[in-house]
Amino acid sequence: DTEVTQTPKHLVMGMTNKKSLKCEQHMGHRAMYWYKQKAKKPPELMFVYSYEKLSINESVPSRFSPECPNSSLLNLHLHALQPEDSALYLCASSQRLAGGTGELFFGEGSRLTVL
Amino acid sequence: GIQVEQSPPDLILQEGANSTLRCNFSDSVNNLQWFHQNPWGQLINLFYIPSGTKQNGRLSATTVATERYSLLYISSSQTTDSGVYFCAVRIDDGLTFGKGTHLIIQP
Repeated sequence: DTEVTQTPKHLVMGMTNKKSLKCEQHMGHRAMYWYKQKAKKPPELMFVYSYEKLSINESVPSRFSPECPNSSLLNLHLHALQPEDSALYLCASSQRLAGGTGELFFGEGSRLTVL
Repeated sequence: GIQVEQSPPDLILQEGANSTLRCNFSDSVNNLQWFHQNPWGQLINLFYIPSGTKQNGRLSATTVATERYSLLYISSSQTTDSGVYFCAVRIDDGLTFGKGTHLIIQP
């Protein structure tokens, strides 16, 4: 069983909707990540939070807005998305960011369809 | 940024066969992980192996950090081994993934 929980597992939204993806971990990890994976492609890094502060933003459009309200939770707020944003969104966590060591653990993903 | 190359891109084997998947990377790394992505999209951790050799049942992995490559060995393949195998490396930030090896095990 994964210790990183993502909700919802599936989401269908229109281009004018506002929705959120949620991620939760209870492993005491202090680094959390959002990845985007298109069909038949590898996951691509979007955002990294370290100790609840945004550490890395990989030039992601502003229609994606991350939030880390506490050390266990990570949200991804979605607004005015385009059909090409349809993808699997994966959340991950690791003990820490600094030094680049430590194993990443992924959730099961949220599969997003934008109509 | 760091480049990660996996080979072969596709592999079709009969049940019971052995296989070796390769991952080459372009720079020194602090972290290397192997994942199996199941048909539902979940990334299952196989190995955290920045260097050395590890074994877990029918699977084993070796990373030679000084030569910038890692190998994943699958022995006595089963149909449930089918899926995409990703190598991912990390220097300071998040993991960078290779394009994966798509493995099909036929009964």
